[in-house]
Amino acid sequence: NAGVTQTPKFQVLKTGQSMTLQCAQDMNHEYMSWYRQDPGMGLRLIHYSVGAGITDQGEVPNGYNVSRSTTEDFPLRLLSAAPSQTSVYFCASSPSNRNTEAFFGQGTRLTVV
Amino acid sequence: GNSVTQMEGPVTLSEEAFLTINCTYTATGYPSLFWYVQYPGEGLQLLLKATKADDKGSNKGFEATYRKETTSFHLEKGSVQVSDSAVYFCALSDSGYSTLTFGKGTMLLVSP
Repeated sequence: NAGVTQTPKFQVLKTGQSMTLQCAQDMNHEYMSWYRQDPGMGLRLIHYSVGAGITDQGEVPNGYNVSRSTTEDFPLRLLSAAPSQTSVYFCASSPSNRNTEAFFGQGTRLTVV
Repeated sequence: GNSVTQMEGPVTLSEEAFLTINCTYTATGYPSLFWYVQYPGEGLQLLLKATKADDKGSNKGFEATYRKETTSFHLEKGSVQVSDSAVYFCALSDSGYSTLTFGKGTMLLVSP
């Protein structure tokens, strides 16, 4: 089982550049989420989706866009990267039940210079 | 809003020592509670969970009991191993959408 796959694993961007972080899951989960992990901050929710075509904002959505055209994929777009977006990004998926676990990808370490 | 507070780290222990990592929460509803573990260079994986008051979650020798009266979910292990060295996150979910609110994480370092 591949589970949740994130690409790329590492990325360096210049300020103002755009890029898309990819996330795919093969477990047919309805729910998918993006988190960022910063030192001393834990993980914070950026955006989430409860199914294809449905997305909503989390705690720290500014500077990020998402879409969910298929159940499997949930890409995260940075339209104009800023140094404050330097972080480790995790994608997660879960079945449609808050009592079940979320499955996380391996993360994407992004540096914006 | 929801929040999770867990003890600051790093926690440094010798092998076979007893471990406690404290976690308290604030939530508007009746949340499910989780402990996730992150090994170096990896993503998070579920360690254990409890979905209602007085439930005890357990896995790999770790335990945590959902205490509604003290809004706590402390993680314990009777005898830690070097391989337990990792960052541990306490988290809650009280929405229908499985989104998680995390604590800041506690690094555990176990020496031989």
